[in-house]
Amino acid sequence: AQSVTQLDSQVPVFEEAPVELRCNYSSSVSVYLFWYVQYPNQGLQLLLKYLSGSTLVKGINGFEAEFNKSQTSFPLRKPSVHISDTAEYFCAVRGGGQGFSFIFGKGTRLLVKP
Amino acid sequence: EAGVTQSPTHLIKTRGQQATLRCSPISGHTSVYWYQQALGLGLQFLLWYDEGEERNRGNFPPRFSGRQFPNYSSELNVNALELEDSALYLCASSRAGTLTGELFFGEGSRLTVL
Repeated sequence: AQSVTQLDSQVPVFEEAPVELRCNYSSSVSVYLFWYVQYPNQGLQLLLKYLSGSTLVKGINGFEAEFNKSQTSFPLRKPSVHISDTAEYFCAVRGGGQGFSFIFGKGTRLLVKP
Repeated sequence: EAGVTQSPTHLIKTRGQQATLRCSPISGHTSVYWYQQALGLGLQFLLWYDEGEERNRGNFPPRFSGRQFPNYSSELNVNALELEDSALYLCASSRAGTLTGELFFGEGSRLTVL
């Protein structure tokens, strides 16, 4: 079965520092990849998605992610974080034999410190 | 355009009771997904409805059930509530027939079981 692994449950980082949130998926066939963000007491909001084409995708709020098929990874990056980026981040995959189902990772809490 | 709406925002029940949660998708979306977000467990897939039919079901007991109405709104029912059912229940919608569409989430319904 398809799975998504977010290796870090929490990532603390100082304001204005760069950050990378890891995501690995298990599939040997075509998949579509997504990153969502959840601010406290809110639903999830799409940050970016990879469907095809360029492996580097840019999203909202200065985030970007790079699809690496050989490593089955899709890490999320931001060159300089702000306090307001403190939130839960979820990686998700669709396809890969699971049809239209979305499979989410367990999430990574990004904690930006002043 | 209205987003995904969920009701109630908060719900408090006691063990053994039944809970009903409601979701209205974005206009034009025919697929509705339900997820359970319990503390520390990420998003657990519950149910997926499309065109009034249950298309897929996560690894939850039968006391979790639901339906989708002709107007594509959906209801999630949880019978014989247990303490561990306390969680944020998220509803999401998407357009049908394409793997490349993302999920749009509501703000969630927080269920507390005492």
